[in-house]
Amino acid sequence: KNEVEQSPQNLTAQEGEFITINCSYSVGISALHWLQQHPGGGIVSLFMLSSGKKKHGRLIATINIQEKHSSLHITASHPRDSAVYICASTGGSNYKLTFGKGTLLTVNP
Amino acid sequence: DVKVTQSSRYLVKRTGEKVFLECVQDMDHENMFWYRQDPGLGLRLIYFSYDVKMKEKGDIPEGYSVSREKKERFSLILESASTNQTSMYLCASTAVTQGEKLFFGSGTQLSVL
Repeated sequence: KNEVEQSPQNLTAQEGEFITINCSYSVGISALHWLQQHPGGGIVSLFMLSSGKKKHGRLIATINIQEKHSSLHITASHPRDSAVYICASTGGSNYKLTFGKGTLLTVNP
Repeated sequence: DVKVTQSSRYLVKRTGEKVFLECVQDMDHENMFWYRQDPGLGLRLIYFSYDVKMKEKGDIPEGYSVSREKKERFSLILESASTNQTSMYLCASTAVTQGEKLFFGSGTQLSVL
């Protein structure tokens, strides 16, 4: 059974800081998702990746398949980045996902 | 703009009532999912459907059923609502092709009194 662990659970940063959120999974996967959920808001898909690295604006996601590890980086963080960030993995053809419990990020001005 | 629409943002029901949560997507996606989200537990899969009239149990199907009569619509049914079903319910959809992004609805906060 795949298990997905995120760290840290909570993260507080000052505006402008570089932020890293980590995600580890226990079995081989076909894809890993990074999701964002603002307080009281719906969930938005940020990235889906199966290898290497993807970048969108100030967000960068990387994955190391051999080490079963992914990271989400935020450069020049801003208070509007405050949200819960969730990683989720999938390994099967039926597209069932296994979710981490999320990282609550607070960026102070 | 792609959309996953959930019929209600907030819902209050009484114990024992039959509750219907509706989800509609306009992207012709094959896969649709119902999750519940609880503090400290994260997202848990209740049911998913990979085609019309096809469904599979997720991790916590007890007390729930689903219906998918049309490709765009996936309904979650609480046969007899109980207080432990008070939760945020989220619908999602994705295409069958591996690597498609997930699209979530805005969620329904259900309170069972």
